[in-house]
Amino acid sequence: KAGVTQTPRYLIKTRGQQVTLSCSPISGHRSVSWYQQTPGQGLQFLFEYFSETQRNKGNFPGRFSGRQFSNSRSEMNVSTLELGDSALYLCASSLERSTDTQYFGPGTRLTVL
Amino acid sequence: AQSVSQHNHHVILSEAASLELGCNYSYGGTVNLFWYVQYPGQHLQLLLKYFSGDPLVKGIKGFEAEFIKSKFSFNLRKPSVQWSDTAEYFCAVNGFGNTDKLIFGTGTRLQVFP
Repeated sequence: KAGVTQTPRYLIKTRGQQVTLSCSPISGHRSVSWYQQTPGQGLQFLFEYFSETQRNKGNFPGRFSGRQFSNSRSEMNVSTLELGDSALYLCASSLERSTDTQYFGPGTRLTVL
Repeated sequence: AQSVSQHNHHVILSEAASLELGCNYSYGGTVNLFWYVQYPGQHLQLLLKYFSGDPLVKGIKGFEAEFIKSKFSFNLRKPSVQWSDTAEYFCAVNGFGNTDKLIFGTGTRLQVFP
């Protein structure tokens, strides 16, 4: 089975721009969660999607949004980028719930200049 | 606020030494507990998890963890580490307030020298 894939792997943007990151879960997995990883804050939960609905949300501003498609693929969008948004964005998929084992992708490294 | 604490930020050991990494969480209700590992250049992967039952949980690669409810702790142990255990280890908890969102600790970087 193919693992979780994330595209693009690296991205450089400037302040004020917006960005869209993509995540393809493991086949058959319906729950997709997103995390932001930074050296200072560690891994922080952004949101979780299941059946095209946001089921859980972390404490991030409204500039961070996401969606899930009928094939369980998910995208997250960050608008009006700030320098502090530079981070590794990780996607994880699980069968039904985030209490099931979550399988992580390699991440997208976003650098905001 | 719900939180997960890993007090050891950086641990350096020689091969064959015993390992114990601390993890504490701040919530009195029912939780699910996880340890993840990130080897250099690799994805995060699950080491072990506890949902219910026997509080001593065995995971992959000889790791185990013990859930002590009265201490809100879920410490990771390995009797004899190897150089290949060099990695970053993350404790994670969900179930806070009956939500599924996974809250991670800040991680412990383990370096094992031959």
